[in-house]
Amino acid sequence: EAGVAQSPRYKIIEKRQSVAFWCNPISGHATLYWYQQILGQGPKLLIQFQNNGVVDDSQLPKDRFSAERLKGVDSTLKIQPAKLEDSAVYLCASSPAGGYEKLFFGSGTQLSVL
Amino acid sequence: DAKTTQPPSMDCAEGRAANLPCNHSTISGNEYVYWYRQIHSQGPQYIIHGLKNNETNEMASLIITEDRKSSTLILPHATLRDTAVYYCIVRSPSGNTPLVFGKGTRLSVIA
Repeated sequence: EAGVAQSPRYKIIEKRQSVAFWCNPISGHATLYWYQQILGQGPKLLIQFQNNGVVDDSQLPKDRFSAERLKGVDSTLKIQPAKLEDSAVYLCASSPAGGYEKLFFGSGTQLSVL
Repeated sequence: DAKTTQPPSMDCAEGRAANLPCNHSTISGNEYVYWYRQIHSQGPQYIIHGLKNNETNEMASLIITEDRKSSTLILPHATLRDTAVYYCIVRSPSGNTPLVFGKGTRLSVIA
């Protein structure tokens, strides 16, 4: 089966610019996650969707980050305006539902903010 | 915050067993132990999970101590492609509990 698709693979922007990342989860997966992974650290959850509703966005910097999941399928994560400390890999993951089921991750988008 | 403690790095000779330890002394009765790994430039990949019994699949074996305060992931015959960061995660099966990652163990398999 097809995996979690993310684009773009790489993005370089200057600080104060805006950027958007796209994620297409595995077909039929109800739960979608966005993680941020700074170099040398483990991934950190930014936001979790169940279908098209937000389950947890407690660690999302809402003054600059936003995310949506229209129709409970694809999702976009936006940063506006970007800061230097936003340089990281942004990972999207999906699972059939919550609970104990395993997560499937995409390869991520590597963002460099100059 | 992550509820697990892992060594930052380990080496293993190719073809030998790799034993990766994890401490989770504050684990609750209904929490599972999950292992994921992350190969360079890829997203994390699920390996195995367990509650209290030992588990084995095509990738690895998971040994959980009787008191459930620690576990060991075993790769029986490590290859160079097993070089990765390995994450041990404790997770509740209830509701929509996400995975909370620590820094993991960087395993280097050496030829």
